[in-house]
Amino acid sequence: DAGVTQSPTHLIKTRGQQVTLRCSPKSGHDTVSWYQQALGQGPQFIFQYYEEEERQRGNFPDRFSGHQFPNYSSELNVNALLLGDSALYLCASSFGFVAGSADTQYFGPGTRLTVL
Amino acid sequence: LAKTTQPISMDSYEGQEVNITCSHNNIATNDYITWYQQFPSQGPRFIIQGYKTKVTNEVASLFIPADRKSSTLSLPRVSLSDTAVYYCLVGTYKYIFGTGTRLKVLA
Repeated sequence: DAGVTQSPTHLIKTRGQQVTLRCSPKSGHDTVSWYQQALGQGPQFIFQYYEEEERQRGNFPDRFSGHQFPNYSSELNVNALLLGDSALYLCASSFGFVAGSADTQYFGPGTRLTVL
Repeated sequence: LAKTTQPISMDSYEGQEVNITCSHNNIATNDYITWYQQFPSQGPRFIIQGYKTKVTNEVASLFIPADRKSSTLSLPRVSLSDTAVYYCLVGTYKYIFGTGTRLKVLA
C-alpha cells in the first residue's frame, strides 16, 4: 500500500517564475492538505482540498493556489516566486472528515523548493 | 484552533523512557490530540493519536487527563534513532504546528 507521494523531490526556480508541485494521496484517502515548512520552523498550513474544492485555507496570499483532481491527487501552484518561498512543501492526505472522528493526516516526503 | 505549548528541547540517554508533555488549554470538545515525529528534510511521521485517557501502540503511549488540557507522549527505551523533532497537534481539518520539541538521544 503506497503512502503519500510527492513530485518532484527537489526544484530550483528563480524569482518571478511559477512552480507546480504534485501530490498523490495514500490509498483510500480523499482529502489533501498542503503545508509550507521553512528551515528550522514547524509546517504552516496552506490549504486543504476535499471533493475537488478548497475547504480550508491558511494565511497565505493568492499567489498560492491549488487543485484537486477526480482521482484525489492534487497540485500546488505558486506564482511570482519570491526568495521567501524557499521551503519544504509538504502534502498530507486523510479520509474526508466525519463528525466525531479524527482527521488523521499522513504526510509525504516533501518537495524542497529553492528560489534564487 | 487550540494553541499548543511544548518544551523546546530535551536530552535523554539510550534505553531511558522519555516523556514529552504538551499543554493545550483551549482544546475544543471535538478535537483530537495527535503527535508526529520529524527527521530533517523529511515529512512528519504519525506516531499516535487520542481523544481521552490512555492510548498505546507499538511505538508510544499517549496519556490524556480528564480535563484534556494537556497530554504526555511517552517513548519507552529510546534509541539514537529517536533523535528528532516531536510535534503535538490539536484539532481537525487543519493542523497548527508549533516549534515542536527537539529530542536528542545520547549514547
